[in-house]
Amino acid sequence: AQSVTQPDIHITVSEGASLELRCNYSYGATPYLFWYVQSPGQGLQLLLKYFSGDTLVQGIKGFEAEFKRSQSSFNLRKPSVHWSDAAEYFCAVGARAAGNKLTFGGGTRVLVKP
Amino acid sequence: NAGVTQTPKFRVLKTGQSMTLLCAQDMNHEYMYWYRQDPGMGLRLIHYSVGEGTTAKGEVPDGYNVSRLKKQNFLLGLESAAPSQTSVYFCASTNTLQGDNGYTFGSGTRLTVV
Repeated sequence: AQSVTQPDIHITVSEGASLELRCNYSYGATPYLFWYVQSPGQGLQLLLKYFSGDTLVQGIKGFEAEFKRSQSSFNLRKPSVHWSDAAEYFCAVGARAAGNKLTFGGGTRVLVKP
Repeated sequence: NAGVTQTPKFRVLKTGQSMTLLCAQDMNHEYMYWYRQDPGMGLRLIHYSVGEGTTAKGEVPDGYNVSRLKKQNFLLGLESAAPSQTSVYFCASTNTLQGDNGYTFGSGTRLTVV
């Protein structure tokens, strides 16, 4: 069974600084990998996804993520954080089988200081 | 352009009461899912459906039942609510066999069982 670990529960970053959120996954084959963002009181919005090809993927809102098979990681980055990036971020791994079930990490809450 | 709609948005139940959460999607998606979100635990899959008339158990199915009588609707039922079912419930859908488009999420139902 697949699993996802997000080691950082909370991260505080200053506006304009860079951000990196860690994600480690466990899956027996090449996974589908996703990052979602959840603003307070809202559902989850897809930021970016990886399923094959270039290991550096670009997403919406200036985010990017890099798939590193050797480290079983899919870390999310943003070069310069805006106050509107304060939210909770979830990494997820997808099963390449009927059902397409996503397994989510516990989430990382990002606080942006002015 | 409604996407995934969940009703109700909020509900308070007494222990032992029953209720049904409704999820409706207008994107003609084949696959639908119910997750619950609890602090620090991310999203956990309750039940899912790979098509009209089909349902399957996810990671935490106990105490819940589901039905998918119409392709666009996925109902989640609690027959006898317990305080442990206090949570935020999210419905999601996707349209591809591989799930590589990610999910479209509803905005959630916040349920409190007292």
